[in-house]
Formats: sequence, structure tokens, C-alpha cells
Amino acid sequence: DTAVSQTPKYLVTQMGNDKSIKCEQNLGHDTMYWYKQDSKKFLKIMFSYNNKELIINETVPNRFSPKSPDKAHLNLHINSLELGDSAVYFCASSQDQYSGANVLTFGAGSRLTVL
Amino acid sequence: GENVEQHPSTLSVQEGDSAVIKCTYSDSASNYFPWYKQELGKRPQLIIDIRSNVGEKKDQRIAVTLNKTAKHFSLHITETQPEDSAVYFCAARTPGGGGFKTIFGAGTRLFVKA
Repeated sequence: DTAVSQTPKYLVTQMGNDKSIKCEQNLGHDTMYWYKQDSKKFLKIMFSYNNKELIINETVPNRFSPKSPDKAHLNLHINSLELGDSAVYFCASSQDQYSGANVLTFGAGSRLTVL
Repeated sequence: GENVEQHPSTLSVQEGDSAVIKCTYSDSASNYFPWYKQELGKRPQLIIDIRSNVGEKKDQRIAVTLNKTAKHFSLHITETQPEDSAVYFCAARTPGGGGFKTIFGAGTRLFVKA
């Protein structure tokens, strides 16, 4: 029973297109995140939501629009895709963001390739 | 904002030897320091963590130390095995932007040679 699941696992698309990645967690966690991992493996936080509310937006371009319909779901929509958007996007969740040990549980990742 | 630096970027050891990965952080308000292991093509997974009020923590072959004064923390793996080969990330949890966020180091690729 997957704790954090994201779809699709692979996404190949042309520059200029719009695409979405979906994420769901069944852990009952309050906080969800999107991280971007580039080709050099660097993991960078993009967004954080706590109980459907946006908490962190790490100066991500407006082309990226997250949406959290409820605390178990956090989706990422990307408009006008650029070559530099190619990366693995990881969804993650944590119990909340205030507890002392803020353990992140990651999804399997969605590899986006922009041609 | 918080900056986490991690060294070395690549580490190659012989099976059975020890491996040490070091990290520094910049924000004295950071209060929680997890370490994640990412195997090839897989998701990062927590292997050990330490809170800011603790200096050392051990779990079987892995241990983490924290020096708050110097803003250093390190991961120690003893008796390395080939299955320890992976990318290891240190991280720091820091306040910012109305909440808390986990900032990752750049990663260390560990190779354990049989």
C-alpha cells in the first residue's frame, strides 16, 4: 500500500506544452511538498502546503502552479514548458511542519523530459 | 536563508572500511538534521536524523554527530557493504516563509568496492 504515490512516473513532452503531475498520500499527514531534482541530483524545495494552505513558495516561476484540493492531494501544473524544466519531480509529505522530527516521506518521482 | 554544504561530492571506499560525510549549515535557527539515502532510480529515504539538542546518535552501523557551535554535522558509516552504495543527502530543517522547510545538501555519491 503505497504511502505517497505520484503520477505519471515518466513524462516526455515538447517545449511550450502544459503538463500536470498528481500526488496523493494516505499517511494522514498535514504537510505536502514538491521538490525538484536536477541532473546533478540536487534536491531543491519548490512548494510546501499545510492543510491545503500554501506555506512555502521558493521563488518558483509563475509557470508552476500547485493545487491542493485537500490535505491528501497536492498536484503540480506546469505551463509553457522549457528545456530547463527537465528534471525528476518528487512529491513528499510529513506529519506536519511543526513537530521536532519532520521526517519526509517521498513519492517515487516523476521524470519530466522536455524536448 | 539556510545554506547546506556537503563534502565530499564523491567517496569511494573498500568494503569493510568506514565512510564519513560532512555537512555545514548557515542558519543557527535550524533545529533538525536528517540524512537521506537515495539508491539509483529510487526515492530518497530517511536513514538517521538528529535534533539540535542532541550531540550524537547511533543506529547499528550508522551514526550522526552534531556540533551546533560550529554548525557542523557528519554521517559515519562503519563496516561498509556494497549495498551502502548510493547518494547520501544531509539536510537541515529551518524556519522560513511562514513555515519550516528542509534544505538539502548537494549529495555525496558513495561507492563501496567489494
